Amino acid sequence: AQRVTQPEKLLSVFKGAPVELKCNYSYSGSPELFWYVQYSRQRLQLLLRHISRESIKGFTADLNKGETSFHLKKPFAQEEDSAMYYCALLERGGSNYKLTFGKGTLLTVNP
Amino acid sequence: GAVVSQHPSRVICKSGTSVKIECRSLDFQATTMFWYRQFPKQSLMLMATSNEGSKATYEQGVEKDKFLINHASLTLSTLTVTSAHPEDSSFYICSAIPPGYYGYTFGSGTRLTVV
Repeated sequence: AQRVTQPEKLLSVFKGAPVELKCNYSYSGSPELFWYVQYSRQRLQLLLRHISRESIKGFTADLNKGETSFHLKKPFAQEEDSAMYYCALLERGGSNYKLTFGKGTLLTVNP
Repeated sequence: GAVVSQHPSRVICKSGTSVKIECRSLDFQATTMFWYRQFPKQSLMLMATSNEGSKATYEQGVEKDKFLINHASLTLSTLTVTSAHPEDSSFYICSAIPPGYYGYTFGSGTRLTVV
């Protein structure tokens, strides 16, 4: 069963427009969710994690357990935000970890 | 910050040969490392969890005899693609969780092309 769903493969917005990348999850335990970003020709890097409730590069994401969602939002998109974004769920089993990724959303911010 | 180094970044090999990919944690010890595979324009798929001093745990559908994982030290895990075939061509990425860090750190990946 797919644990992490990102319904949009591609998302295109204009600079200055709000952007929301959707992520839904399926997990019976207490979820630990992350957003990772992969800029062109760069390695995957952590953008933010739900537990810290932080804003990174203007992005925020709120865990909604009722809707089992962890959507990533930014009020005013910038061209440099263009990248591949992955939502990820960390599953813990005792001392074992498993990070499962969604299929990713390619965000393009047009000038 | 915590860095995971992966080598080589690119490799081209002939069909039937074996290729070894190294993953090193540069400034921390990693008892567990993870190997992912990423197909073009697709997500990362976990292949296996590498455990220092013990056998790796493979995900369903991953051939353990084909993708040999060795985690001989706290800073090094290797993935060997044995008897490589063109369908093994992919982007392989390793990762680890540095102590005290709430998240994974990823290597820069290895682009394997089997011709």
